[in-house]
Amino acid sequence: QSALTQPPSASGSPGQSVTISCTGTSSDVGRYNYVSWYQQHPGKAPKLLIYEVANRPSGVPDRFSGSKSGNTASLTVSGLQAEDEADYYCSSYTFSNIFVFGTGTQVTVL
Amino acid sequence: QVHLQESGPGLVKPSETLSLTCTVSGGSISRYYWTWIRQPPGKGLEWIGNIHDSGIINYNPSLKSRVTLSVDTSKNQFSLNVRAVTAADTAVYYCARGWSSGCADPWGQGTLVTVSS
Repeated sequence: QSALTQPPSASGSPGQSVTISCTGTSSDVGRYNYVSWYQQHPGKAPKLLIYEVANRPSGVPDRFSGSKSGNTASLTVSGLQAEDEADYYCSSYTFSNIFVFGTGTQVTVL
Repeated sequence: QVHLQESGPGLVKPSETLSLTCTVSGGSISRYYWTWIRQPPGKGLEWIGNIHDSGIINYNPSLKSRVTLSVDTSKNQFSLNVRAVTAADTAVYYCARGWSSGCADPWGQGTLVTVSS
């Protein structure tokens, strides 16, 4: 199965919002509410931000929110802060317990 | 608080087998899907597969012919073997605790494995 499609880059000024899309197909993102989002700072392991489309684990600021429409999931970061500058990856369940990641988006805080 | 730590050789020769172990501390290895993910230098994440202590194992179809996952509940460890490696298998390999919904949390710090003669 192919990787989910994300824009290579996104940017915003401090305090603004940025939204990252994650486009799959009717066999993955469109079919299951098992979309997750991860944040990865350089040289670090990814960190779970969102699970099951829109749920935040304990400790993740509510500035991070997730949603889904059709075959596209989205992550919105509101009130951008310098520490939000990182790479972001989506992930989705596909079939038979197989999972696929997105291509990744580099977020720059201007 | 669950902590995961990868261990294994950092250098593997082409055509040989890459073997890594992930040690789980601070919690039981039972009832979760223990997951391997890799990231080639400068590239994105690739899901390798996961294993449940019940015996359920799932593999990325693109790697299935070369990958074997196993779990040792007595040691609270799970392992990854990748056979017949090439330079394309050079990556940071992460282990993670997987949930039934597919999310992975927490992750190990990752270990770089280089395939080179």
